[in-house]
Amino acid sequence: EIVMTQSPATLSVSPGERATLSCRASQSVSSNLAWYQQKPGQAPRLLIYDASTRATDIPARFSGSGSGTEFTLTISSLQSEDFAVYYCQHYNNWPLTFGGGTKVEIK
Amino acid sequence: EVQLLESGGGLLQPGGSLRVSCAASGFTFSSYAMSWVRQAPGKGLDWVSTISDSGGSTYYADSVKGRFTISRDNSKNTLYLQMNSLRAEDTAIYYCASTRGGDNSGYKWFDSWGQGTQVTVSS
Repeated sequence: EIVMTQSPATLSVSPGERATLSCRASQSVSSNLAWYQQKPGQAPRLLIYDASTRATDIPARFSGSGSGTEFTLTISSLQSEDFAVYYCQHYNNWPLTFGGGTKVEIK
Repeated sequence: EVQLLESGGGLLQPGGSLRVSCAASGFTFSSYAMSWVRQAPGKGLDWVSTISDSGGSTYYADSVKGRFTISRDNSKNTLYLQMNSLRAEDTAIYYCASTRGGDNSGYKWFDSWGQGTQVTVSS
């Protein structure tokens, strides 16, 4: 099983600042990686797939990069609606696994 | 607009059984693989099971293999998860999600998600 590790667990950022979230895979997943956003009491929402492709209607301030075992989600200028928990997920093989999440909170 | 509406959750005792459902609309259900993903209270996301668009292929997490069964009825645009021999650690919100990919290309990301149904296993 591929273990996905996200860091940091919590990121405190001021509105308008840049946020950089990391996701590491225990073995290579090529570019088979997705990112999701989850707000309290809501279902997750797909942000990024294939490591760097934005999903439909996702703002350009969200960008993904990386391949192999190291991945990054960058939010270029945090808006109030971006404070949430972010998860990465690999789909290189079974079982599909998620990282433990990074909570982005207001500083 | 894609809509996924889960139902059937509840409170059960350990060892009990439950079937949850997910009614889909706004897309061609029979053309998409579908999955169940769960989230225990205060925890992260945990993939449970995936079924191919035709229903001919199914995949399970080791933690539920032999106890849970995923199925679908494409004539009713509905996804199911039959859960048997429930344990306290199965307590979670269960989300259904449309899933990109298939047997030929590999199963990939979760496109759209329902709002979830709560399953609680407790004595």
